[in-house]
Amino acid sequence: SSELTQDPAVSVALGQTVRIRCQGDSLRSYNASWYQQKAGQAPVLVIYGVNNRPSGIPVRFSGSSSGTTASLTISGAQAEDDADYYCISRDNSVKHLYVFGTGTKVSVL
Amino acid sequence: EVQLVQSGAEVKKPGESLKISCKASGYRFTNYWIGWVRQMPGKGLEWVGLIYPGDSDTRYSPSFEGQVTISADASVTAAYLEWRSLKASDTAIYYCTRHNVYYHYTGSDDAYDVWGQGTLVTVSS
Repeated sequence: SSELTQDPAVSVALGQTVRIRCQGDSLRSYNASWYQQKAGQAPVLVIYGVNNRPSGIPVRFSGSSSGTTASLTISGAQAEDDADYYCISRDNSVKHLYVFGTGTKVSVL
Repeated sequence: EVQLVQSGAEVKKPGESLKISCKASGYRFTNYWIGWVRQMPGKGLEWVGLIYPGDSDTRYSPSFEGQVTISADASVTAAYLEWRSLKASDTAIYYCTRHNVYYHYTGSDDAYDVWGQGTLVTVSS
């Protein structure tokens, strides 16, 4: 099955910009979606279809994709963005299956 | 309001069986796939599988095939995740989540747009 790899941890100063990457062969064929998970809470969808934000997600969250890499950017990070972030995409080898990325811990300093 | 409400925390012994639930409301239950996700203590999210309540079509991650059973009952708008014989390694939080498809002029995208609050399953002797 496919694998999606993310950097384990990144840090960003309050108000600055941070980019989180998700790498995997399946991203050539399928778009990733992105999820924010704060400590002790369920995940929340923040980006789908490369760069679409669900209702209620701040505009500082944006997405992009190129080749085998999808990216989530937080422009002007806020203290409340301190969380784990996961990408997910369809499995490249088996239809109707999905794979999560390994997750990135974002620390807002 | 679209909601997924999961059953409460469970404490079980190895070898026992368990069925946890995910009650959906606020949308047409039979029109959307429901997925299950595992999160072991201090670890990342793992995709378990999903079910289409409209016809009970079910898909499993190879890592979970044969280890769990996913089912749904459209009459009560609920999905279920079941174990016949629990192991200590099944200790985790399990989330249910709705799979949604977004159509646009060049095709479609999908995502898991609504999540349950999670069910903590603890398996210990």
